[in-house]
Amino acid sequence: GQQLNQSPQSMFIQEGEDVSMNCTSSSIFNTWLWYKQDPGEGPVLLIALYKAGELTSNGRLTAQFGITRKDSFLNISASIPSDVGIYFCAGHPFGAGSYQLTFGKGTKLSVIP
Amino acid sequence: DVKVTQSSRYLVKRTGEKVFLECVQDMDHENMFWYRQDPGLGLRLIYFSYDVKMKEKGDIPEGYSVSREKKERFSLILESASTNQTSMYLCASSNRGNGYTFGSGTRLTVV
Repeated sequence: GQQLNQSPQSMFIQEGEDVSMNCTSSSIFNTWLWYKQDPGEGPVLLIALYKAGELTSNGRLTAQFGITRKDSFLNISASIPSDVGIYFCAGHPFGAGSYQLTFGKGTKLSVIP
Repeated sequence: DVKVTQSSRYLVKRTGEKVFLECVQDMDHENMFWYRQDPGLGLRLIYFSYDVKMKEKGDIPEGYSVSREKKERFSLILESASTNQTSMYLCASSNRGNGYTFGSGTRLTVV
């Protein structure tokens, strides 16, 4: 099936630092979504992007839908301990069934107080 | 608050047992999904359903079956549990073209 390459796989950062992670694909996506999974819980939707070039913020989080429609990034500013978790990118591939998402393998974020 | 509810947070079952994982959503969503999550492997799709009584195999359906008799309920069945099915199981639901809402997960251990 479709593949999403998410990087980095893991990161250790100091509290207060900014964080950046991204997702790339060899094919075009119609929608990009970013989820966060707290330890022991299910993923929760953070940001949804629907148009190429779209830049959307949710508090300290900012995400962009790449202009080529093949990539997206998520930035977290001024990280805090509760940012710890796994961040997943996901998207609806162009031409695929609109009900099925493709997921990246996740970026595991650790924040050192 | 809209929800996807998984019946158990933790389960311990013996090898060879038949295991039922239940998922209920209250959002009148058409689509429901079962994933398993293992370290380093991300989310892998087991089965999904886009309508009552309809089901489609995902990427790793072997050893699993599903049932969707009502729109709000999607059950995952392990016919004969094995130790390699020890994992975190996540249920999700969605409407066409929208993101998924996930449940809190069931951590299954098969001994």
